[in-house]
Amino acid sequence: SQKIEQNSEALNIQEGKTATLTCNYTNYSPAYLQWYRQDPGRGPVFLLLIRENEKEKRKERLKVTFDTTLKQSLFHITASQPADSATYLCALGEDSGYSTLTFGKGTMLLVSP
Amino acid sequence: DSGVTQTPKHLITATGQRVTLRCSPRSGDLSVYWYQQSLDQGLQFLIQYYNGEERAKGNILERFSAQQFPDLHSELNLSSLELGDSALYFCASSVGQGRETQYFGPGTRLLVL
Repeated sequence: SQKIEQNSEALNIQEGKTATLTCNYTNYSPAYLQWYRQDPGRGPVFLLLIRENEKEKRKERLKVTFDTTLKQSLFHITASQPADSATYLCALGEDSGYSTLTFGKGTMLLVSP
Repeated sequence: DSGVTQTPKHLITATGQRVTLRCSPRSGDLSVYWYQQSLDQGLQFLIQYYNGEERAKGNILERFSAQQFPDLHSELNLSSLELGDSALYFCASSVGQGRETQYFGPGTRLLVL
């Protein structure tokens, strides 16, 4: 069966360190992968999109990698700040005409000062 | 602010009742998506509409239905409510029906007692 796995345990790191979150998937052939940030009780906010033919994408302090052989995406936040504390969701989109996304359950990141 | 609006913010109702959730997409967006988010299930895709037409269906129960109107706003109708329907319901919108970013609204928190 299809599965998207993100670490269910919260990731605790110190301010200034690099946070690395993992998204693994099975039985999917995603054409693209997106990362979203979600704060408690609020809607997800889009961060980055990476396509199947791209290995890496960067935006300011954020970096995403996509390895279709390993079936894995890594999401990095460098120089993390307490304001980065949130839940981060990965979402897969397969190659169809319709942009339906399948979301992982997310990983909570806690950045302490 | 994503530009997507949802009403109401909170809804408390009883089992067996019917409710309607409303969503207005961002200006210019033609696709509307509905998601359900509960603690144990994560963000689950329910249904997508594009320019008034149903485009994709996810894990939407038969008791639930949706439509998109000519002005592109959408409504999600939930009937014969059960305790397990208590969740956050999000609407998202995107420009087309392809591989774009989805912009999420603030959600409607439904509590069924």
